[in-house]
Amino acid sequence: DAGITQSPRYKITETGRQVTLMCHQTWSHSYMFWYRQDLGHGLRLIYYSAAADITDKGEVPDGYVVSRSKTENFPLTLESATRSQTSVYFCATTRTALDQPQHFGDGTRLSIL
Amino acid sequence: AQSVTQLDSHVSVSEGTPVLLRCNYSSSYSPSLFWYVQHPNKGLQLLLKYTSAATLVKGINGFEAEFKKSETSFHLTKPSAHMSDAAEYFCVVSDIYGNEKLTFGTGTRLTIIP
Repeated sequence: DAGITQSPRYKITETGRQVTLMCHQTWSHSYMFWYRQDLGHGLRLIYYSAAADITDKGEVPDGYVVSRSKTENFPLTLESATRSQTSVYFCATTRTALDQPQHFGDGTRLSIL
Repeated sequence: AQSVTQLDSHVSVSEGTPVLLRCNYSSSYSPSLFWYVQHPNKGLQLLLKYTSAATLVKGINGFEAEFKKSETSFHLTKPSAHMSDAAEYFCVVSDIYGNEKLTFGTGTRLTIIP
């Protein structure tokens, strides 16, 4: 049972480029989340999705775009990457809104030069 | 509004001695509280959760935490540290109506001295 798979695990890119981080889950959980983890900030929510075709902004959504055409996939796109978006990105899922806690992927370490 | 404060950014203990990681919270509603652990280059793994049942919560790997409403605290403890406990620990608060409204502490790095 693979659970949550994030890809790539590591990515280096340049400012201004578009980059997409992938998140795939095998549980058919309704809720999916994207967080970024930065020193001194813990994890901060970027976007989340309650179901296919339903997405909403979290605490730090600027500069990011998400989509969810299928329940199992929740890609995160940086349309024009900036150095401030250098971070570790985590995808998480949960079965329902009240079915806490969340289950996390292993993360994508993104460096923007 | 909700918030969580982890009082120590770094804790070092000797192997076999007790562990105490401190967390204070603020929540407008009846909170749910969690402790997660993160090992290097890994995602977060749930250690334990409090959701308004027993105030003393037991988790995996011998960890437990006590919810103290009067002190707005949810400290994590373990009687005897093991080398494998070395990791980053996050205290998390949520009100029961908003799963998306998880608020993370800034983390406590636990180092185990052989």
